[in-house]
Amino acid sequence: GIQVEQSPPDLILQEGANSTLRCNFSDSVNNLQWFHQNPWGQLINLFYIPSGTKQNGRLSATTVATERYSLLYISSSQTTDSGVYFCAVERSVKGAQKLVFGQGTRLTINP
Amino acid sequence: AAGVIQSPRHLIKEKRETATLKCYPIPRHDTVYWYQQGPGQDPQFLISFYEKMQSDKGSIPDRFSAQQFSDYHSELNMSSLELGDSALYFCASSLFRGDRIAWPYEQYFGPGTRLTVT
Repeated sequence: GIQVEQSPPDLILQEGANSTLRCNFSDSVNNLQWFHQNPWGQLINLFYIPSGTKQNGRLSATTVATERYSLLYISSSQTTDSGVYFCAVERSVKGAQKLVFGQGTRLTINP
Repeated sequence: AAGVIQSPRHLIKEKRETATLKCYPIPRHDTVYWYQQGPGQDPQFLISFYEKMQSDKGSIPDRFSAQQFSDYHSELNMSSLELGDSALYFCASSLFRGDRIAWPYEQYFGPGTRLTVT
């Protein structure tokens, strides 16, 4: 099956810093999503981005499908950005099928 | 906007008991997915349903079963619970419409049910 690798596994920053999280995947995909899992366990949709670039406030994401990677940028980090960031991909030959998650990047923002 | 609803949010069971988790998808969404997330792990796909028919299956134990009802809500039934079943169980929904090429089908996740087996 498809492999998803995220880097770095852990990232500790001071408030106000910028960060780049990377997601590599081993095959072409139909769907790529970025999630933020907050300390309460909730998975929050950040981006649906199988290709191209999107921005939402301090967050932006870029997926280069031909090179099989996606990047999540967080600017001017806040303590509320802490949590685990997951990249998840879907590669189906028919039907809407499962998301395969990476191992996540644990981000800690210190005040 | 309406989100995916899961109930209960927390559940404590003893070994060998049964549990039923419920999921109410976003209105008009036709596909439901179940995922299991163990402590410190990433979510793992269990099973999905499109228009009340099973559409995909992952590493779901034989002790677990699920279905989607006519109102599109779904239930995950878990029997003979084991300590290793303790996890966060997510339900997600999407609007697939049977045409994956023409329609983006972003999955939206519910808040999860935290199951503890003692």
